[in-house]
Amino acid sequence: DTGVSQNPRHKITKRGQNVTFRCDPISEHNRLYWYRQTLGQGPEFLTYFQNEAQLEKSRLLSDRFSAERPKGSFSTLEIQRTEQGDSAMYLCASSHIDVGTYEQYFGPGTRLTVT
Amino acid sequence: AQSVTQPDIHITVSEGASLELRCNYSYGATPYLFWYVQSPGQGLQLLLKYFSGDTLVQGIKGFEAEFKRSQSSFNLRKPSVHWSDAAEYFCAVGAGGNEKLTFGTGTRLTIIP
Repeated sequence: DTGVSQNPRHKITKRGQNVTFRCDPISEHNRLYWYRQTLGQGPEFLTYFQNEAQLEKSRLLSDRFSAERPKGSFSTLEIQRTEQGDSAMYLCASSHIDVGTYEQYFGPGTRLTVT
Repeated sequence: AQSVTQPDIHITVSEGASLELRCNYSYGATPYLFWYVQSPGQGLQLLLKYFSGDTLVQGIKGFEAEFKRSQSSFNLRKPSVHWSDAAEYFCAVGAGGNEKLTFGTGTRLTIIP
């Protein structure tokens, strides 16, 4: 069990550019979640997948945001035409719904800075 | 809609002293409740969880929490804190065990010698 990994760990981009983040969940975890955390706040839910199906998206997820989990394993989160307000820590978590432990395991996050 | 309130933004405790971090939730049905800890540069780590059964739950690192339905609270406690407990603590509520989590704004814990 190597844990949830996220890449890159840090990303600095200029306003208007597109960025893509990757999350690799714990092997065989069928649920994958994306959260966003801004300074001084708790994580806020963005979206989650069960296998490759995207089950729910938050209203926080504007049209500029898109997430995929094409083969039910890793996931990508893309932000198009970044804005300064997108600067945040993007957290990924995974869980296994059949095990019954009800625990989401979080990755270290990707810190995005939009200049 | 579910929500979580952590009334204390920052708490300072002497090493060896007891600790209680407050958490109040709002949710219509039986909630799934969690406490996570976040150290600088680290991901969120689950301390403990409650979804049924005994209302006093034990977690890792010597932490415990008590679910009080009448007060809509799930306060985190530790009898004696260590310097390594300094971190940000988040309370969270979910509609189900594997559903999305709603987090509070967190409580930053500082430990003084």
